[in-house]
Amino acid sequence: DAGVIQSPRHEVTEMGQEVTLRCKPISGHNSLFWYRQTMMRGLELLIYFNNNVPIDDSGMPEDRFSAKMPNASFSTLKIQPSEPRDSAVYFCASSLQTGGGELFFGEGSRLTVL
Amino acid sequence: GENVEQHPSTLSVQEGDSAVIKCTYSDSASNYFPWYKQELGKGPQLIIDIRSNVGEKKDQRIAVTLNKTAKHFSLHITETQPEDSAVYFCAASSNFGNEKLTFGTGTRLTIIP
Repeated sequence: DAGVIQSPRHEVTEMGQEVTLRCKPISGHNSLFWYRQTMMRGLELLIYFNNNVPIDDSGMPEDRFSAKMPNASFSTLKIQPSEPRDSAVYFCASSLQTGGGELFFGEGSRLTVL
Repeated sequence: GENVEQHPSTLSVQEGDSAVIKCTYSDSASNYFPWYKQELGKGPQLIIDIRSNVGEKKDQRIAVTLNKTAKHFSLHITETQPEDSAVYFCAASSNFGNEKLTFGTGTRLTIIP
């Protein structure tokens, strides 16, 4: 398996623009997680899905952030409008199950908002 | 909520020596403690985990110990090699699962050849 695939790997945009990050989880995994990594705050869980259903979005910083999982093989994280403080590396991870399964992370999408 | 503290933030050891990274957690209900390794430009990767019904777990050169009374757990790497250079994260959750993992702030480990 190719692992968790994220795109784009790098994104540079201007403040106010819409940003869409994409994730393809490992086939057969039924849980998907979006994390944000910054120097100041480390790794933060934004939202996770189980069987394509959002279970906990309490980590989503504000209404500018939204995530969807229309099917088992695709998820998006959207920021609209983007702000400089959203600059971070965004990771998608999937696991075979919640309740103890190993998280498999993608290589991340590095977002820079100017 | 859970708070995980990790020390040290940076660690340099000579190749072949041992490295120890320590974490403390605040929620006495936490019962699952994984360790992840993140190489430059990559996502974190699980290297070992331990559950609260076990005090120690070992996998080749890597071992993790857990002291529930003191609420701390540690990662031990013996016979360090250059490929061990990376950032290591501890984490904790309270439901034996990965849904609400709280990560430590990371330790940048450098192995000096």
